[in-house]
Amino acid sequence: KAGVTQTPRYLIKTRGQQVTLSCSPISGHRSVSWYQQTPGQGLQFLFEYFSETQRNKGNFPGRFSGRQFSNSRSEMNVSTLELGDSALYLCASSGSGTGELFFGEGSRLTVL
Amino acid sequence: GQQLNQSPQSMFIQEGEDVSMNCTSSSIFNTWLWYKQDPGEGPVLLIALYKAGELTSNGRLTAQFGITRKDSFLNISASIPSDVGIYFCAGTRPPPKMDSNYQLIWGAGTKLIIKP
Repeated sequence: KAGVTQTPRYLIKTRGQQVTLSCSPISGHRSVSWYQQTPGQGLQFLFEYFSETQRNKGNFPGRFSGRQFSNSRSEMNVSTLELGDSALYLCASSGSGTGELFFGEGSRLTVL
Repeated sequence: GQQLNQSPQSMFIQEGEDVSMNCTSSSIFNTWLWYKQDPGEGPVLLIALYKAGELTSNGRLTAQFGITRKDSFLNISASIPSDVGIYFCAGTRPPPKMDSNYQLIWGAGTKLIIKP
């Protein structure tokens, strides 16, 4: 099975811009979760999608949004970027509903 | 905020030493999971535990689901250089409301560093 694929791997944006990150889950997995990871902050849950519906949402401002398509691929968008949004954004897919997640390598966003 | 207390925050060990880390909570969890993250990569699942008291091994790794369902530990025996990385515990709790999914709660991670 191909793993979870995230694109782009690296990107640099400036404050005020917006960014869209993409995630292709493992074939057959219908759940996709997004996490933000910054040094010293661990993994912060953004949201989870299942069958095109947002099923869970973390405590992030409305500038962070996501969606899932019928083929289970997911995108997340961050609008009006701030310096503090610089982080590694991780996508994970799941097919079991037990917390067993398969992570992609992440998209590293730098905001200047 | 974090609802799982993971300790220690970091560990400096000599190659060949045994390692122990744990996660505790004031809440009951249905599942405990241990992940490892290598630099520049996403976390990878090491061990999943589903029943209170369950003890599971994966090579040199051993993890246990605490009998109270409020804690879990991970042991690594005879550490080797490729064990370096960040280890995360995670646990699942029942959903907060009927139409939402289970909650997956994460610990802050234990950074394992092997002294040269």
